[in-house]
Amino acid sequence: EAQVTQNPRYLITVTGKKLTVTCSQNMNHEYMSWYRQDPGLGLRQIYYSMNVEVTDKGDVPEGYKVSRKEKRNFPLILESPSPNQTSLYFCASSTPELNTEAFFGQGTRLTVV
Amino acid sequence: DQQVKQNSPSLSVQEGRISILNCDYTNSMFDYFLWYKKYPAEGPTFLISISSIKDKNEDGRFTVFLNKSAKHLSLHIVPSQPGDSAVYFCAASRNTGNQFYFGTGTSLTVIP
Repeated sequence: EAQVTQNPRYLITVTGKKLTVTCSQNMNHEYMSWYRQDPGLGLRQIYYSMNVEVTDKGDVPEGYKVSRKEKRNFPLILESPSPNQTSLYFCASSTPELNTEAFFGQGTRLTVV
Repeated sequence: DQQVKQNSPSLSVQEGRISILNCDYTNSMFDYFLWYKKYPAEGPTFLISISSIKDKNEDGRFTVFLNKSAKHLSLHIVPSQPGDSAVYFCAASRNTGNQFYFGTGTSLTVIP
């Protein structure tokens, strides 16, 4: 089954404690992205990657890091989480073909206290 | 700066009637538009899309209309069913990269 898998689904952590949210896709997609969803703001792109070792900032990259060492994996790293990073996070993947859609994972609900 | 806007946070419709969800965008460089549907505790799932070279795309009960001069698109669901109750996100992209710009979402409730 084609899917994007995120882990964990739910996470409560304390301010300043480094964490990683993993994302893996089995569709051999070149493109992968991270979004955060906040009330009244919709989905905003944090980082994206167009291929292995190629990453770039989205609209809200501050406080986040990513890496793309393998095509299937695109982890999101919060080196020093803060309460304003409490949000619902989605990983997505897509192909570079024209007029294509992105496939989303099921989301990670992060709470930073 | 929100480049894709959904001005109605919520919409309630009777089962069997038409649901119309609206979306406006500001960037004239967008050339591909999508609608996603999201249920609670799940990720967004692709519903329907339209290229800027078209003004209408239909898939079963779902039709998307694009008015490029007004920078406006809409999603029509006919007839609406209770299972359509979800949050709908409008999205836009330029086929030069990997960035999808999303609206803030409209929560649709279809009343049985």
